[in-house]
Amino acid sequence: NAGVTQTPKFQVLKTGQSMTLQCAQDMNHNSMYWYRQDPGMGLRLIYYSASEGTTDKGEVPNGYNVSRLNKREFSLRLESAAPSQTSVYFCASKDRGQANEKLFFGSGTQLSVL
Amino acid sequence: AQSVTQLGSHVSVSEGALVLLRCNYSSSVPPYLFWYVQYPNQGLQLLLKYTTGATLVKGINGFEAEFKKSETSFHLTKPSAHMSDAAEYFCAVSDIWAGGGNKLTFGTGTQLKVEL
Repeated sequence: NAGVTQTPKFQVLKTGQSMTLQCAQDMNHNSMYWYRQDPGMGLRLIYYSASEGTTDKGEVPNGYNVSRLNKREFSLRLESAAPSQTSVYFCASKDRGQANEKLFFGSGTQLSVL
Repeated sequence: AQSVTQLGSHVSVSEGALVLLRCNYSSSVPPYLFWYVQYPNQGLQLLLKYTTGATLVKGINGFEAEFKKSETSFHLTKPSAHMSDAAEYFCAVSDIWAGGGNKLTFGTGTQLKVEL
């Protein structure tokens, strides 16, 4: 039972470098999400994808781009990393329907931007 | 826009004591409400949720929460704390389900410490 898999688990970048965080789910879920978690601020939504082929901005999208490559995969890209993007990033997925109101989270990516 | 406020960023209880974690929400429509738990170095896991129906909802590990519309609250309780309950707890509110495109807004979290 893999669930939601995120890679890498840890990453250190220099300011201005780019990188892509990968996320894949094997539960055939329609919706996928990227959150960042910062101390004292809880989780804030960066981008989400309600279904394959669609993406929408969340609360804090600036400096990020996303790609819903297929139903399984939803990647988050930092084009030019900044120290303010130092955070723990979580990918999550959810199935469709009122009975499925539950997010499944990956184990997170800890990113440091120097 | 929906929002949630969690009172107390840190709560400390003795093992065997009552756990009470507070959450108040703001929503212009009937909300869906959730409590998630995060253990160290892990992602969040759903504890319980309120969507419709009974206002007292029971979750995993002996936790429960009551939706009180008049107080706009959804406080989390457990009668007797266990050491394994030490974790960070997040309250969250969602848009009404509309075909799967809804989003969760999380509170800032409450770190629960359980002492012997």
